[in-house]
Amino acid sequence: QQQVKQSPQSLIVQKGGISIINCAYENTAFDYFPWYQQFPGKGPALLIAIRPDVSEKKEGRFTISFNKSAKQFSLHIMDSQPGDSATYFCAAPILTGGGNKLTFGTGTQLKVEL
Amino acid sequence: DAEITQSPRHKITETGRQVTLACHQTWNHNNMFWYRQDLGHGLRLIHYSYGVQDTNKGEVSDGYSVSRSNTEDLPLTLESAASSQTSVYFCASSESILGTGAGYTFGSGTRLTVV
Repeated sequence: QQQVKQSPQSLIVQKGGISIINCAYENTAFDYFPWYQQFPGKGPALLIAIRPDVSEKKEGRFTISFNKSAKQFSLHIMDSQPGDSATYFCAAPILTGGGNKLTFGTGTQLKVEL
Repeated sequence: DAEITQSPRHKITETGRQVTLACHQTWNHNNMFWYRQDLGHGLRLIHYSYGVQDTNKGEVSDGYSVSRSNTEDLPLTLESAASSQTSVYFCASSESILGTGAGYTFGSGTRLTVV
C-alpha cells in the first residue's frame, strides 16, 4: 500500500509560474517532512524540510505548506525557472518498525518551459 | 570534504549471477540505506542499517542482502540476479537522529541491467 501519496506524476509550468506538488501521508513516527530534488543522472538531494511546529517554511522561491489535521503537505515553487526542471520527491518517517528512515512518494517530474 | 560514493556507476550482468554494489561514506553517519528507483514507483527501500553489525529488511528486500562490518561501508548483494532487478540503485546515509540535521545524503547511483 502507498503510505506516501504524491501528485501529480508530471507537471509542465511556464517560466515565472507557480509549481505546486502535493503529498498525503499515513501515520508517521514523528513530524519531519522533507522534499528532495533530483536531476537526471544524479542522486536526490535535500531541497527543503519542515518540522511542523510551524505550518509553513520558506527558503527563497521554495515553500512547504503543512496541514497536520489533513495529513498533507505541499511544495510550492514560486517564479519557476527552467533550472528547476527536475524530479521532486516528498518523504515522511512513516511509522513502520523504526523512525529513522524515510518513505518516499513516487516522484513528480517537473518541466519548466520558456 | 565528506562524501558518499557508489561503484560501479553502470553494470551489466547476466541472469543468475551474484552481483555486489558498493557504497562508501566518509560522513561518519551511523544510518545507511539502499533504495531502488523505478519509474512509477519512486524510491523503494531495500535494506537499511543503523550501525555496525545491524541490518534490517525494507519493503523490497527479497533477493538482496547487506552486511555492515564498519561504519563507512554497506555493500548490497544480489544473490542471483533477475531481470526484475534491473533498476537504478541509490545508497544514502544520515545522522543518528533523522530530522535534526541535513537529512539523507545520497550517492550518485548505480544503473544495473540484468540480461
